[in-house]
Amino acid sequence: ETGVTQSPTHLIKTRGQQVTLRCSSQSGHNTVSWYQQALGQGPQFIFQYYREEENGRGNFPPRFSGLQFPNYSSELNVNALELDDSALYLCASSFQAEQETQYFGPGTRLLVL
Amino acid sequence: AQSVSQHNHHVILSEAASLELGCNYSYGGTVNLFWYVQYPGQHLQLLLKYFSGDPLVKGIKGFEAEFIKSKFSFNLRKPSVQWSDTAEYFCAVRQTGGFKTIFGAGTRLFVKA
Repeated sequence: ETGVTQSPTHLIKTRGQQVTLRCSSQSGHNTVSWYQQALGQGPQFIFQYYREEENGRGNFPPRFSGLQFPNYSSELNVNALELDDSALYLCASSFQAEQETQYFGPGTRLLVL
Repeated sequence: AQSVSQHNHHVILSEAASLELGCNYSYGGTVNLFWYVQYPGQHLQLLLKYFSGDPLVKGIKGFEAEFIKSKFSFNLRKPSVQWSDTAEYFCAVRQTGGFKTIFGAGTRLFVKA
């Protein structure tokens, strides 16, 4: 059991809407990374948060934004949804001192119509 | 830019057959390497990882991988697969000390009973 939880498990939105996805880190972990996994592809790094600050970002536009809270839980926000945003969104937590080992949540499946 | 290439999208084996899944990466610096597995309906979980030292690393469930620096490869092996190894396998690379993990597209392994 990884201890990383995500909500909701799945949801449907329409193009142009906004969505917020949530992640609770494994106990003791202070770093959260978000990934987008399109069908048939591997996870693609969106960004990472460490102690409430964005620590690094992949090749995603600014309409993908995030937050990390003092309890190290995290949100991923996507504005102006596009059809291509349909994917599985994964959250992974780690302890910065051992940042190489990430523990993944079950993901949130987003469908944009 | 870093990239990870997994040689096979699908592999079908009979039980007791030997497994080798290929993985090559492109990055000239020092890297950390990972294999993750996703069993049907479950989270991504770490199979094994390489940071430094012995290039032959052993992971869970009898899997091992060999890092060959000159070939930029990190192939996954198992001498005798079981039906329960049916899953999707992802190779991943991270620049040592970096924040961004790059995943390959994954290989779906089907093991026939």
